[in-house]
Amino acid sequence: LAKTTQPISMDSYEGQEVNITCSHNNIATNDYITWYQQFPSQGPRFIIQGYKTKVTNEVASLFIPADRKSSTLSLPRVSLSDTAVYYCLVANSGGYQKVTFGTGTKLQVIP
Amino acid sequence: GAGVSQSPRYKVTKRGQDVALRCDPISGHVSLYWYRQALGQGPEFLTYFNYEAQQDKSGLPNDRFSAERPEGSISTLTIQRTEQRDSAMYRCASSLRTGGYNSPLHFGNGTRLTVT
Repeated sequence: LAKTTQPISMDSYEGQEVNITCSHNNIATNDYITWYQQFPSQGPRFIIQGYKTKVTNEVASLFIPADRKSSTLSLPRVSLSDTAVYYCLVANSGGYQKVTFGTGTKLQVIP
Repeated sequence: GAGVSQSPRYKVTKRGQDVALRCDPISGHVSLYWYRQALGQGPEFLTYFNYEAQQDKSGLPNDRFSAERPEGSISTLTIQRTEQRDSAMYRCASSLRTGGYNSPLHFGNGTRLTVT
C-alpha cells in the first residue's frame, strides 16, 4: 500500500478556495486516490475519487499530475460547515481492498 | 433506513466483561469493514469481510477480538474480557463491491465503547 503524507492542519477564511495536497510517492500503476471528509461525531464520508488528471463533482475537485505522486483536493469557497478532517487514501483498483486511513488534515474554517 | 446502522450507539462496560457490537450494512453491499478510532486519530483498520468470508483480520489487536458475518449481511464484533485500553469509537463501513474503485465506503455513526 502506498503511504500518504498530508498536512496535519490548515486554517482558511470563509469564502476562500482551499487546496489540500497529499503526497503518495510510491503509488502503483493500478492505484487510485480517494478523499474522505469526517465531521466530529460522524463517520468518514466519501468526497471524490480519481486516477489521473482532474475530477470534479458538486462538492470538490481533485487534481492529479501526470506522475501521480501527489494529488490536490480543492474545495471552492469554503464555509464554516466545511470544517472537518480530510483523509487522502490510496488503494488498488483490483480485488481485495484493505482500506487504510492516515491521520488526515484538520481544516478549520474561520469566519 | 438506507445507511449503515450500528448498535448500540454507546456501551459502557466493566473491565473483564464481554461486549458485542453490531453492524447492519447497506442492503446488497458485499464488503464490510470494521475500524476503531481514537480521539484525534484516523480510523484504524481491524478486519474486512467479503460476503460471509473474513478476508483480512490482520488489524485485530489480539485474540480477545473477533468478528463474524455468518449470512453475509449483519456483522458482529466481539471483544472478550474487555480492558480499559479497548475504549474507543468502533466504526463499521460497507461498500457495494469488493475492489474499491467506484465503490466507496459508507460508514455508520459508530459505537462508543467505554470500559470502566
